[in-house]
Amino acid sequence: AQKVTQAQTEISVVEKEDVTLDCVYETRDTTYYLFWYKQPPSGELVFLIRRNSFDEQNEISGRYSWNFQKSTSSFNFTITASQVVDSAVYFCALTFISNFGNEKLTFGTGTRLTIIP
Amino acid sequence: DTGVSQNPRHKITKRGQNVTFRCDPISEHNRLYWYRQTLGQGPEFLTYFQNEAQLEKSRLLSDRFSAERPKGSFSTLEIQRTEQGDSAMYLCASSRLGGQGSFGNTIYFGEGSWLTVV
Repeated sequence: AQKVTQAQTEISVVEKEDVTLDCVYETRDTTYYLFWYKQPPSGELVFLIRRNSFDEQNEISGRYSWNFQKSTSSFNFTITASQVVDSAVYFCALTFISNFGNEKLTFGTGTRLTIIP
Repeated sequence: DTGVSQNPRHKITKRGQNVTFRCDPISEHNRLYWYRQTLGQGPEFLTYFQNEAQLEKSRLLSDRFSAERPKGSFSTLEIQRTEQGDSAMYLCASSRLGGQGSFGNTIYFGEGSWLTVV
């Protein structure tokens, strides 16, 4: 069975501070995808990044960066120089690669991030 | 591309009534998914379609729930004889099987349809 744990339920930081959101996953599959989604108050899940299990390179996109470590089964997300617009609930998710492509995502319970002006 | 579109965005209904939600996926996306999200939780998988075929249904999808995707385009999710426990946000998502590049199979979500059963 697959499981995603986001131990941080809520985080508040002052604007311009850096913040890291933790994600730990469990899976028996050797091939899988990891995702991060952002959910603003409007409700839409906004795709941020996808990483497959064979690619452990860290990635940076503007103020966002992701650290994938298979040895610790973690896929952490860091926002540098946070802004008020970053306030949202962030979800980490896991799926496995089947013969038919992506199947169902298993989500963590999310981390509510509040950026204080 | 326009995003995944869902309607209605909000629905308040009395217990026992039937409700139907509609989802229009991103154009040319052949896979469509329904998820359910309750307050303070992550989305949970309900079902998905590849074209018009319903490939998998979760145990969460009781007999009162039915989803269709005629002609492999838009999809509807109907809940019959609604119960208060059905109150949640219903999210639709789509993806393109076999897409090229690193984002070929990324799943894109709509804004969700909030259901309140009173």
